[in-house]
Amino acid sequence: DVKVTQSSRYLVKRTGEKVFLECVQDMDHENMFWYRQDPGLGLRLIYFSYDVKMKEKGDIPEGYSVSREKKERFSLILESASTNQTSMYLCASVGPGTSDEQFFGPGTRLTVL
Amino acid sequence: QKEVEQNSGPLSVPEGAIASLNCTYSDRGSQSFFWYRQYSGKSPELIMSIYSNGDKEDGRFTAQLNKASQYVSLLIRDSQPSDSATYLCAPRGATNKLIFGTGTLLAVQP
Repeated sequence: DVKVTQSSRYLVKRTGEKVFLECVQDMDHENMFWYRQDPGLGLRLIYFSYDVKMKEKGDIPEGYSVSREKKERFSLILESASTNQTSMYLCASVGPGTSDEQFFGPGTRLTVL
Repeated sequence: QKEVEQNSGPLSVPEGAIASLNCTYSDRGSQSFFWYRQYSGKSPELIMSIYSNGDKEDGRFTAQLNKASQYVSLLIRDSQPSDSATYLCAPRGATNKLIFGTGTLLAVQP
């Protein structure tokens, strides 16, 4: 079974703090994604990566950056957290051997005060 | 026009009935289509994928695809209260990324 894990289920941070959200997958997938999900807006793609050290902007990259130093790990960074970044953050991965099906991690609910 | 359109619902059906969830998409280049189920407070869970026109059945679930009409649907037979969730339609676009609809909330009444 594909397993995607995220470092925290719930996180509370203060405005201006630097926030790291970690995602790890155990299926040697090349492709990894970060989304945020807000009521009424659905899932919105922040960043994605097709390979180690590769990253591409999604639909809403402003205020975020990412890092992919190892194939299994994809990190989302909020350089200076703001209250409008309070959201559910979801990591996903897809790769060969899974019929291009995308699997999600459990999500991190981030609250910025 | 949104890239992926779903009726937000809630769609309310009695237990044992057939639930029909619909989705239209705008990218004619889409070749792969996915249905995800998402319970409140949880992450999306893949339940069906479909790649060819026609029907694909998996247990109580049937996905239907019509690329000419840019339409994909999900039928849930013998609906159970445990099927109550938000169902997300997600075509894979020409850029190879999934494009998610905002989802349809299904409520199965016991």
